[in-house]
Amino acid sequence: DTEVTQTPKHLVMGMTNKKSLKCEQHMGHRAMYWYKQKAKKPPELMFVYSYEKLSINESVPSRFSPECPNSSLLNLHLHALQPEDSALYLCASSTTSGRSPSRTDTQYFGPGTRLTVL
Amino acid sequence: ILNVEQSPQSLHVQEGDSTNFTCSFPSSNFYALHWYRWETAKSPEALFVMTLNGDEKKKGRISATLNTKEGYSYLYIKGSQPEDSATYLCAFLYSGAGSYQLTFGKGTKLSVIP
Repeated sequence: DTEVTQTPKHLVMGMTNKKSLKCEQHMGHRAMYWYKQKAKKPPELMFVYSYEKLSINESVPSRFSPECPNSSLLNLHLHALQPEDSALYLCASSTTSGRSPSRTDTQYFGPGTRLTVL
Repeated sequence: ILNVEQSPQSLHVQEGDSTNFTCSFPSSNFYALHWYRWETAKSPEALFVMTLNGDEKKKGRISATLNTKEGYSYLYIKGSQPEDSATYLCAFLYSGAGSYQLTFGKGTKLSVIP
């Protein structure tokens, strides 16, 4: 099973709502990632978890709060978002971590959650 | 800020035509270069991971080359088919400041006209 799943596929939320994005993989990968992609822009790294610990936080605002409850699951908790946070949020996983990856390690991506903040 | 450039941004080709596009990246702190194929509403799918200067990889009708000294990679598609229509992303894995991160280009959107 080389699949990374993400739920929900689409999410519309108001600026005062609290919601969560979920990501799951069963490939035994120990690194998991959140990326954000705005229209016509490349995916941008937000967070990296390595062995269930946050290893990289790319100066993401605190209204985005990641959580890795176990090696297969990655959540992104959203609170008090702004309309400019509307984007596609991609999750990925890989065998090794951002701190010391193998040169040939591949990141496997989920299909993303399309988030709209009203 | 690292810059990964892909060109062209988009292109349309007739079924059966061969095509190629370019990914340019910084030549310093190179660790690996990834190519992904991303169909609309699906997950980006890994095509190749390239690590050595002069690397050539092939997967069916798709192949890629790597030049780390001058900082570019080419992706070639031979005899394009409608199912090749997708956005092709390259991503540069670099080492720096104690961590390794993928920096993506904006992608080349390929449309193959039957």
